Amino acid sequence: SQTIHQWPATLVQPVGSPLSLECTVEGTSNPNLYWYRQAAGRGLQLLFYSVGIGQISSEVPQNLSASRPQDRQFILSSKKLLLSDSGFYLCAWSPGQYNEQFFGPGTRLTVL
Amino acid sequence: GQQVMQIPQYQHVQEGEDFTTYCNSSTTLSNIQWYKQRPGGHPVFLIQLVKSGEVKKQKRLTFQFGEAKKNSSLHITATQTTDVGTYFCAGQDSGYSTLTFGKGTMLLVSP
Repeated sequence: SQTIHQWPATLVQPVGSPLSLECTVEGTSNPNLYWYRQAAGRGLQLLFYSVGIGQISSEVPQNLSASRPQDRQFILSSKKLLLSDSGFYLCAWSPGQYNEQFFGPGTRLTVL
Repeated sequence: GQQVMQIPQYQHVQEGEDFTTYCNSSTTLSNIQWYKQRPGGHPVFLIQLVKSGEVKKQKRLTFQFGEAKKNSSLHITATQTTDVGTYFCAGQDSGYSTLTFGKGTMLLVSP
């Protein structure tokens, strides 16, 4: 069966520090991968998605970036965190463009 | 761009009462999906609706997709405390490869 991993589960970082969040999927190949942020308003904001290795689409301009160095690995990064980057970051995968998405456990990021 | 509106934002019911959340899209959708997020957890897929006028049931949950494929609803009959959480709809139209999520309806059930 397929599983999705995210780490770390929680993170507290100072303003201006770098960020690297990792997401890996097991049990499937060539998944579509997504990064979402969920702020206090509960809504899910799509940040990036990828349909293949090295293919990244950005939905919202910001100081974050994403990379997909391997088929089942998706990384969210920042060179300098802002206070507004605080939130709940969720990675998700889907088997195809019009299929349901399966979410990882998420990373709660607090920027102080 | 595509917008998905969801109402109400919040509802508090007594156990045994019914609950309904509504979802409206600014564009015609190719499909709509529903997710549930328990407090402190991550969204979990519930169902996908594809056909105009489609109705699907999962035990006490009934999902509907409008005839025009621009709106949807989730109805829970006789709520239980295990139904507590935030319910999200997410729409996808043929012009986009990603889902647009509504802001969710937070359901609280008192015993």
